[in-house]
Amino acid sequence: AQTVTQSQPEMSVQEAETVTLSCTYDTSESDYYLFWYKQPPSRQMILVIRQEAYKQQNATENRFSVNFQKAAKSFSLKISDSQLGDAAMYFCAYRRGNSGGYQKVTFGIGTKLQVIP
Amino acid sequence: DAGVIQSPRHEVTEMGQEVTLRCKPISGHDYLFWYRQTMMRGLELLIYFNNNVPIDDSGMPEDRFSAKMPNASFSTLKIQPSEPRDSAVYFCASRQGQANTEAFFGQGTRLTVV
Repeated sequence: AQTVTQSQPEMSVQEAETVTLSCTYDTSESDYYLFWYKQPPSRQMILVIRQEAYKQQNATENRFSVNFQKAAKSFSLKISDSQLGDAAMYFCAYRRGNSGGYQKVTFGIGTKLQVIP
Repeated sequence: DAGVIQSPRHEVTEMGQEVTLRCKPISGHDYLFWYRQTMMRGLELLIYFNNNVPIDDSGMPEDRFSAKMPNASFSTLKIQPSEPRDSAVYFCASRQGQANTEAFFGQGTRLTVV
């Protein structure tokens, strides 16, 4: 079974600084997707960034980027120029590839990010 | 589109009572998911539907839980009878499989069983 591990229950960062959230996963599949979701106090789950396993290039979305190390099964999220609105729970997640139509997403336990003004 | 709509946002009920959570997916989405979030277990997939048909309900904890999707625009998750350990936030999410996009989540229902 696939597992997703987030070893940092809480992190803090100064406003405008950079922070990296860690995630490791375990799978025997070669075709899969990895995600970071953000959950602010409003409870809404918001997709931050997505990485296809077959792509070597790391995904980037504005101030958010990932460091995808396939051999090490590591998928960290870097937030640059942190803003107060980035304060939230961040969840790392895994899904098998679309072949076969498998839909289940496995989530990590989450990392709570605090942004200090 | 207004996104995935869940109701109610908060529900407090007494142990033994029936609870029904509701979800309206995004129009045109053919997959619908029910998740449960707790501090201890994180986010767990309970069940998902494709074109209104339940595909995988292996995450449903026990027979007290049931889910239906009578049409493409409505789904319910029912707990009968409810127990204090069912207290959690329940999320509904929907996805369009053909577009290869990820799921959009509703704002969740916080259920408290006393």
